[in-house]
Amino acid sequence: DAGVTQSPTHLIKTRGQQVTLRCSPKSGHDTVSWYQQALGQGPQFIFQYYEEEERQRGNFPDRFSGHQFPNYSSELNVNALLLGDSALYLCASSQLVTSERIPDTQYFGPGTRLTVL
Amino acid sequence: AQSVTQLGSHVSVSEGALVLLRCNYSSSVPPYLFWYVQYPNQGLQLLLKYTTGATLVKGINGFEAEFKKSETSFHLTKPSAHMSDAAEYFCAVSDRRTGFQKLVFGTGTRLLVSP
Repeated sequence: DAGVTQSPTHLIKTRGQQVTLRCSPKSGHDTVSWYQQALGQGPQFIFQYYEEEERQRGNFPDRFSGHQFPNYSSELNVNALLLGDSALYLCASSQLVTSERIPDTQYFGPGTRLTVL
Repeated sequence: AQSVTQLGSHVSVSEGALVLLRCNYSSSVPPYLFWYVQYPNQGLQLLLKYTTGATLVKGINGFEAEFKKSETSFHLTKPSAHMSDAAEYFCAVSDRRTGFQKLVFGTGTRLLVSP
C-alpha cells in the first residue's frame, strides 16, 4: 500500500514565478492538508481539502491556492513567488472522521523542497 | 489561539540514557495532542497521540508521553535511547472543539544520541 506521495521532490524557481505542487493521498483517505515548513521551524498549516472544497485555511495570503480532484489527489499553487516562500511543503492525508469528532491520524508525505532565487 | 512550546531546540543524550523532550501547550480547552518524528529529508511520522481516556500514551519505538492537564504539558520520554532515535521531534495540537484536523506544531527539538 503506497503511502502519501508528492511530486516533484525538489524545485527551483525565481521570484515572481508560479509553482504547482502535487500530492496523492494514502489509499482510503479522503482529506488532504498542506503545510509549509521553513528551515529550522515546525510545519505551518496552509489549508485542508475535503470533497473538493477548502474546509479550513491557515494564515497564508491568497497567493496560496489549492485544488482537490475527484480521486482525492490535490495540488498546491503558489503565485508571485517570494524569497520567503522557500521551504519544504508537506502534504498530509487522513480520513475525515465525522463521528465523535476525534481526528484521524494524518499521514505525511516526504515533501517538496521549493527554493526561490 | 492555540500554541505549542518545546523547551530546548537541541537535546543531547548518550546511548542507553533516558530521553525527555518537553512540550507545553496553550489552549482554553485541552486539545488533542501529538508527537511526530522527522528523519533527515523525510516527512513526519506519528509517534503517538492523546485524544481521550488514559493520560499515559504509549507509542511506537518505545516512546511514551503523559498528558498533564494541570501543567498543560505532554512531555515525551523513552527509557533508553538508541542511536536510531536521532531525529527532529515535533509536538503538535489540534482543537477538539471544532473537529477540524489543523495541526499546530512547535518549533521542534533535535535529539542527538552519542555512543
